[in-house]
Amino acid sequence: DAGVIQSPRHEVTEMGQEVTLRCKPISGHNSLFWYRQTMMRGLELLIYFNNNVPIDDSGMPEDRFSAKMPNASFSTLKIQPSEPRDSAVYFCASSIDRREAFFGQGTRLTVV
Amino acid sequence: KQEVTQIPAALSVPEGENLVLNCSFTDSAIYNLQWFRQDPGKGLTSLLLIQSSQREQTSGRLNASLDKSSGRSTLYIAASQPGDSATYLCAVYSSASKIIFGSGTRLSIRP
Repeated sequence: DAGVIQSPRHEVTEMGQEVTLRCKPISGHNSLFWYRQTMMRGLELLIYFNNNVPIDDSGMPEDRFSAKMPNASFSTLKIQPSEPRDSAVYFCASSIDRREAFFGQGTRLTVV
Repeated sequence: KQEVTQIPAALSVPEGENLVLNCSFTDSAIYNLQWFRQDPGKGLTSLLLIQSSQREQTSGRLNASLDKSSGRSTLYIAASQPGDSATYLCAVYSSASKIIFGSGTRLSIRP
């Protein structure tokens, strides 16, 4: 398996634009997590899914953030409208049955 | 609410020394604990996973221990090398099925 795949690796966008980050979990994994990493706040859990169902989105910072998992092999994290303070590295991770979690390489988002 | 703390925040030691990184968590009801390594500008690489029923795991020069009752884990690195320089993160898979991270220990090994 190629591991957790995130796209794009880098995204630069202007304030106010919509940004969509994508994640393909490891095949067979039933849990998917979205994280945001900044120097100030470290790794923050934004939302996680179990069997494609959002379980806890209490970490989503604002209504501008939304996440979906339409099927077991794909998830998106959308920011609309984006703001400069959203600049961070966004990671996706997957696991199966509360075992070892594997992370993607991340998407570095810069909002100017 | 589960909280994970890592001490120290940064550590610098000369090559060849053995060292210990610490991780503590507030709620002992966990499924597992995982140690990761992160190099600058890179993703997270899993080093060791300790299930809640286990006391320790070993991989090469790395040994991780878990004491659930006291809410503590340690990562022991033997015979440190410059290539071990990175940030080490501890993560707890909580009973709420969330994976919560500590803030990490930035390790520097001096040649």
